[in-house]
Amino acid sequence: SAVISQKPSRDICQRGTSLTIQCQVDSQVTMMFWYRQQPGQSLTLIATANQGSEATYESGFVIDKFPISRPNLTFSTLTVSNMSPEDSSIYLCSASDSQETQYFGPGTRLLVL
Amino acid sequence: QKEVEQNSGPLSVPEGAIASLNCTYSDRGSQSFFWYRQYSGKSPELIMFIYSNGDKEDGRFTAQLNKASQYVSLLIRDSQPSDSATYLCAVNKPGGYNKLIFGAGTRLAVHP
Repeated sequence: SAVISQKPSRDICQRGTSLTIQCQVDSQVTMMFWYRQQPGQSLTLIATANQGSEATYESGFVIDKFPISRPNLTFSTLTVSNMSPEDSSIYLCSASDSQETQYFGPGTRLLVL
Repeated sequence: QKEVEQNSGPLSVPEGAIASLNCTYSDRGSQSFFWYRQYSGKSPELIMFIYSNGDKEDGRFTAQLNKASQYVSLLIRDSQPSDSATYLCAVNKPGGYNKLIFGAGTRLAVHP
């Protein structure tokens, strides 16, 4: 299975600022995704990170708020822009190389004050 | 109607018993079904994947899929206290390669 790391593991940020989260996979993968898990809730898909092209966002998520990059097959970033306390959440990246697998990184715990 | 529904629990079972976790989904176009285990403060860990009707076994875990009833279940045999966690059912969005929709999760507590 793919090993996924994320940086930072946690952060406390002031409202109005932005934070970029990095996701690194130890092997080349076809698909990378970003999810959000708000306190006490399940996971919600934010977007698909497409290698070499713009990310595909799910309903309720927009590029201006969550710009995503994927410069190659092992790396992606998610930026949470102009943060508010409602953005406090765990942000997880995942990687998939087949229909049968999707593995998650350890998550980034974000608290916005 | 939620796209993926699970009973939030907690489901409490004694050690050694069979734990049965259930999940229903709304979109008949979904083809892939996943069960994840999430310990408190940790990220989800993939337990099983199933896409054909019937049963799929892996060690103490058995996933069951009934597409006609839009129902997926996970059985855990010989439950151990270490199985205590939240179990997340995930279903792929039709037309979206491995874009997953998650249920709210069922909290399982295995007591000695």
